[in-house]
Amino acid sequence: EIVLTQSPGTLSLSPGETATLSCRASQSISANYFAWYQQKRGQAPRLLIYDASRRAPGIPDRFSGSGSGTDFTLTISRLEPEDFAVYYCQQYASSSPLTFGGGTKVEI
Amino acid sequence: QLQLQESGPGLLKPSETLSLTCTVSGSFVSRNTGYWGWIRQPPGKGLEWIGSIYYNGVVSYNPSLKSRVTISVDTSKNQFSLKLSAVSAADTAMYYCARQEGWAYNDVLTGYHVHLEAFDVWGQGTMVTVSS
Repeated sequence: EIVLTQSPGTLSLSPGETATLSCRASQSISANYFAWYQQKRGQAPRLLIYDASRRAPGIPDRFSGSGSGTDFTLTISRLEPEDFAVYYCQQYASSSPLTFGGGTKVEI
Repeated sequence: QLQLQESGPGLLKPSETLSLTCTVSGSFVSRNTGYWGWIRQPPGKGLEWIGSIYYNGVVSYNPSLKSRVTISVDTSKNQFSLKLSAVSAADTAMYYCARQEGWAYNDVLTGYHVHLEAFDVWGQGTMVTVSS
């Protein structure tokens, strides 16, 4: 099983600042099969980034993904009030099983 | 616009079987429309993939739950379902259904596999509580 470790657990920032979220995999992720989700309180997760760096339809360009191998990053530029949420990473290089990170909370 | 809606009992007793259904609207559960999955989230915790199914019934399960899980599909009703047997308090969670792309392939050395992609459409989720 590929274990994903997200850091930090909580990120305290102000609107307009840049958030940098990290996710480290226990083994190399082939073909950059890696995604990021945003989850607001009381809502289902929403896909932000897939294939490590491709934005999902309708996602603002202030969200960007990067990385390869075992280290991946989600960067949120110019934080908007609606960006304060919990963010999860996911790998889909191995379907046995698909795994998610533990989450990073971005708070004001 | 593709939409998913979970339904099923919200309260179970320990040892009972959890049964949930996901109804798909705006698309069909059929060839080339993707795989259909279940994910759960205990209160205040992270996400756990349960399993995913293709329209033809080919299923991939999380090994940690495989002995208790059955996922099935009913294309005539445009639905897919989750059964989880012998539930305990540890199964208390929000249960989501979701869609993902994927494909099956044969590897010369390791045989048949299913590659599953990210989940691009999610249902709103349904809370299931296990309590005596």
